[in-house]
Amino acid sequence: ELKVEQNPLFLSMQEGKNYTIYCNYSTTSDRLYWYRQDPGKSLESLFVLLSNGAVKQEGRLMASLDTKARLSTLHITAAVHDLSATYFCAVGYGGSQGNLIFGKGTKLSVKP
Amino acid sequence: DTAVSQTPKYLVTQMGNDKSIKCEQNLGHDTMYWYKQDSKKFLKIMFSYNNKELIINETVPNRFSPKSPDKAHLNLHINSLELGDSAVYFCASSQVPDSYGYTFGSGTRLTVV
Repeated sequence: ELKVEQNPLFLSMQEGKNYTIYCNYSTTSDRLYWYRQDPGKSLESLFVLLSNGAVKQEGRLMASLDTKARLSTLHITAAVHDLSATYFCAVGYGGSQGNLIFGKGTKLSVKP
Repeated sequence: DTAVSQTPKYLVTQMGNDKSIKCEQNLGHDTMYWYKQDSKKFLKIMFSYNNKELIINETVPNRFSPKSPDKAHLNLHINSLELGDSAVYFCASSQVPDSYGYTFGSGTRLTVV
């Protein structure tokens, strides 16, 4: 059974600082996703990583995937308050029509 | 125009009642899903349908029954509601090949009292 572990689960940062969220998964997969969820809201797709070595960047967020290590990272550069949210990684399994297994989420709080 | 829409957004009901949640997507996607998010924010797949055919049916009580009248709609009917069913239920859709990720609806917050 595929297991997805995120850490840390809670992250309090100061504005302007850098930090990385880690997502480890237990079995082979070629699809990894990062989502953002604001309180009481839906999940917003941030990144789709479909191959080993994939790196994607959007604003202050950068995601990467190492399928050999079964590890994805979400790096935050010079955090701002607007980045405060819960971030989920999700790993696909069961083929392209299969489902996503989600990590427990990382609740990020960026303080001035 | 909303891509994945769910109704209702909030649902408060008594134990033992039967309720339905509706989901529609206008993205032309082939596959639709139901996910449950519990009070600790943990997300778990419940069902997956591809072109009206059930693909995934995780360990979910048989009080939960999905129905897909066409590939743009996936409804969730729940019989004999229990307190533990209280959660946020998200509908999602995706296209094969899956280059853009899953698109989630806004969620239905179900409270059983």
